[in-house]
Amino acid sequence: DAGITQSPRYKITETGRQVTLMCHQTWSHSYMFWYRQDLGHGLRLIYYSAAADITDKGEVPDGYVVSRSKTENFPLTLESATRSQTSVYFCASRLDPAYEQYFGPGTRLTVT
Amino acid sequence: AQKVTQAQTEISVVEKEDVTLDCVYETRDTTYYLFWYKQPPSGELVFLIRRNSFDEQNEISGRYSWNFQKSTSSFNFTITASQVVDSAVYFCALSEELIQGAQKLVFGQGTRLTINP
Repeated sequence: DAGITQSPRYKITETGRQVTLMCHQTWSHSYMFWYRQDLGHGLRLIYYSAAADITDKGEVPDGYVVSRSKTENFPLTLESATRSQTSVYFCASRLDPAYEQYFGPGTRLTVT
Repeated sequence: AQKVTQAQTEISVVEKEDVTLDCVYETRDTTYYLFWYKQPPSGELVFLIRRNSFDEQNEISGRYSWNFQKSTSSFNFTITASQVVDSAVYFCALSEELIQGAQKLVFGQGTRLTINP
């Protein structure tokens, strides 16, 4: 039972490059989320999805793009990476609003 | 807007001591959920508990217990007889309704707990 996985786990990229962070869950959860974790800010929601082909912005969506063509995948793309996007990114999924949210292991992204 | 406050930034205790992590929240929703997550040094976020706003019963799970008091908007977490393996950052979180039936989690800033041998 793989649960929720993220790849890559670590990534170093240069300013201006496009980078995609992958998230895959095996539970068929309807809801998926992307958060970023930064010192002093805790975890903040970037984007979320209620189902395949349904996505919406969270608190800090600028500079990010998401898609969800399949229920199990929810990739996050940084179109033109900036140093301020250096962070740890967590993907999460949830069966239903009444249930707990499970998090992936995180991707540590460094933009140089 | 929803808000979660964990006033204790860092706590350090000696092994076997009891320790309580405080969590105070603000919400206008009548129905909401509260959560605690643990983030050990390895970095993953581990779910510990979910509490419905209508259920004010305290909960105990082994050495962990949670005290939910709606009157004071608090959801405190106590570790009894702490162990070194309990060292981690602990986050309290509150659900917030989004459109499309989704709920996001609003996190507190976290409390870094260090258990010294």
